[in-house]
Amino acid sequence: GENVEQHPSTLSVQEGDSAVIKCTYSDSASNYFPWYKQELGKGPQLIIDIRSNVGEKKDQRIAVTLNKTAKHFSLHITETQPEDSAVYFCAASITSGRRALTFGSGTRLQVQP
Amino acid sequence: NAGVTQTPKFRVLKTGQSMTLLCAQDMNHEYMYWYRQDPGMGLRLIHYSVGEGTTAKGEVPDGYNVSRLKKQNFLLGLESAAPSQTSVYFCASSYGSNTEAFFGQGTRLTVV
Repeated sequence: GENVEQHPSTLSVQEGDSAVIKCTYSDSASNYFPWYKQELGKGPQLIIDIRSNVGEKKDQRIAVTLNKTAKHFSLHITETQPEDSAVYFCAASITSGRRALTFGSGTRLQVQP
Repeated sequence: NAGVTQTPKFRVLKTGQSMTLLCAQDMNHEYMYWYRQDPGMGLRLIHYSVGEGTTAKGEVPDGYNVSRLKKQNFLLGLESAAPSQTSVYFCASSYGSNTEAFFGQGTRLTVV
């Protein structure tokens, strides 16, 4: 089955700096790559996603890049703010076989004011 | 809209006891999922369903059973709870496998 690895496990940045989280996946048939943000005591919420026919997608301060050849994708957060502090998860899925998201192990991002 | 609702939010079980976690969604989604979240391990798929009356095993199905008798509900059962099943359980639903999954607030289960 699919395997998703995520790095780093923790990330501390100063307010205003950029943060980058990286993920790799194993199944070349994966074609959907969402990123979720989980705040304390809550369920994960989608913040951005990208499909395999697109190399980059941007939404205000958040961007995601996908390299299908290398099988890795990254989340970029610019001009970080204290409210960006949370746990971030990458995920991957395919439309055949196990039709569900496989998640990375998560990155705890702390933005220092 | 309530989205995805999980019941209960907290529960403490003794080893060997049984319980059922209920998940309800009001978005008319075909797909529903049960994940468990443990420190440092992300979200691992227990079971999922691609439509009413269907279920399938995920990554860590042992010790759990599920049922999807109605499209809006997905039940997760523990027949004989073990301490290794202490975890936070999340239910989610989506329109398809490659669309946004909406998560519930989670159920924190402790097995002593």
